[in-house]
Amino acid sequence: DIQMTQSPSSLSASVGDRVTITCRASQGISNYLAWFQQKPGKAPKLLIYAASSLQSGVPSKFSGSGSGTDFTLTISSLQPEDFATYYCQQYNGIPFTFGPGTKVDIK
Amino acid sequence: QLQLQESGPGLVKPSETLSLTCSVSGGSISSRDYHWGWIRQPPGKGLEWIGSIYYSGATYYNPSLQSRGTISVDTSKNQFSLKLSSVTAADTAVYYCARADTSMVTDYWGQGTLVTVSS
Repeated sequence: DIQMTQSPSSLSASVGDRVTITCRASQGISNYLAWFQQKPGKAPKLLIYAASSLQSGVPSKFSGSGSGTDFTLTISSLQPEDFATYYCQQYNGIPFTFGPGTKVDIK
Repeated sequence: QLQLQESGPGLVKPSETLSLTCSVSGGSISSRDYHWGWIRQPPGKGLEWIGSIYYSGATYYNPSLQSRGTISVDTSKNQFSLKLSSVTAADTAVYYCARADTSMVTDYWGQGTLVTVSS
């Protein structure tokens, strides 16, 4: 299985901050990487696919980059509605696997 | 607007079979453009991909299930289902049904349903 790691596991930030989350794959996955946002009690929501493509309807403050094994998700200016847990997922090889998540909360 | 809705028992006894159904509205489950699958999340933990099915009937499963899982499609009802046999407490989780495109990007999720394995 391809193992996914994320850092940090949690972070505290203020409204307006720029936030960057890192995801690393245990082997190369090209750009088959998605980012999801999950709020408590809700299903995950797709933000980014193909490492850097913004899902329709997702605000442009979210951006993704990377290829191979190292990826990042950036939120350019954190807003109250962005406090949530963020997961990366590789879909290069079965089983598709998720990172352990990064919880973003209010400082 | 596509909607997915999970249904099934919220409580299953150890060693029995967990059975869930996902009803799809606003789109056809027979479409060649999508896969339909299941993902679960134990309480307070991360996400685990269970498996998926294509309109042709081709299925893909997470080997961690050790062949306990079966995903099937009922095109007449526009539904797909998950059966997980020989469940243990470790199978307690919120189960989500979801749609993925042909690149396997998961773009739509159901709201999720909590299944507890307990006697």
